[in-house]
Amino acid sequence: DGGITQSPKYLFRKEGQNVTLSCEQNLNHDAMYWYRQDPGQGLRLIYYSQIVNDFQKGDIAEGYSVSREKKESFPLTVTSAQKNPTAFYLCASTRGHGYGYTFGSGTRLTVV
Amino acid sequence: QQQVKQSPQSLIVQKGGISIINCAYENTAFDYFPWYQQFPGKGPALLIAIRPDVSEKKEGRFTISFNKSAKQFSLHIMDSQPGDSATYFCAAVKAAGNKLTFGGGTRVLVKP
Repeated sequence: DGGITQSPKYLFRKEGQNVTLSCEQNLNHDAMYWYRQDPGQGLRLIYYSQIVNDFQKGDIAEGYSVSREKKESFPLTVTSAQKNPTAFYLCASTRGHGYGYTFGSGTRLTVV
Repeated sequence: QQQVKQSPQSLIVQKGGISIINCAYENTAFDYFPWYQQFPGKGPALLIAIRPDVSEKKEGRFTISFNKSAKQFSLHIMDSQPGDSATYFCAAVKAAGNKLTFGGGTRVLVKP
């Protein structure tokens, strides 16, 4: 079955550490996205990529970095510069404009 | 600046009743309006979507009403069931950039 796989499901980070969240899709979608969701709130766009080797900042990119070396993969690194990283992170992809986004099951990141 | 405003933040409805969620947008460049359903600990799933050249779209018990002149759209859940208890997000997309902008979400509880 086609879909988006996010790993790990739960991640714990110590202060000052960088951590990388994985996102893999087998839907053959060109566009991929990373969103952050805080408790009881909507989703905010961190980074997005419309095509391999190209990505753009979203609304809250500070303290995050991404890469898009393969069509199937769009990993997100939460750096030590992100002051409040505890959140639920969601990866999504789409075939194109006018088509719905497919979301992964998310990664819950907690700073310990 | 919140580009998509959603209300109410939460609502409780009896089984068999109608749930109504409203959204308003500011940017007339938005041209695709999806609704997403999210269960706790899961990623959002596309429920139904509409384009601004259509005033209403129905899929099963879910109906979107769209008022282009007022820049408002709403989701109606008919014959609400306990399994519909979830958080619902409206969203809007511009063709340029193909980025989803989400409303703040509505937590719906359907009481048996």
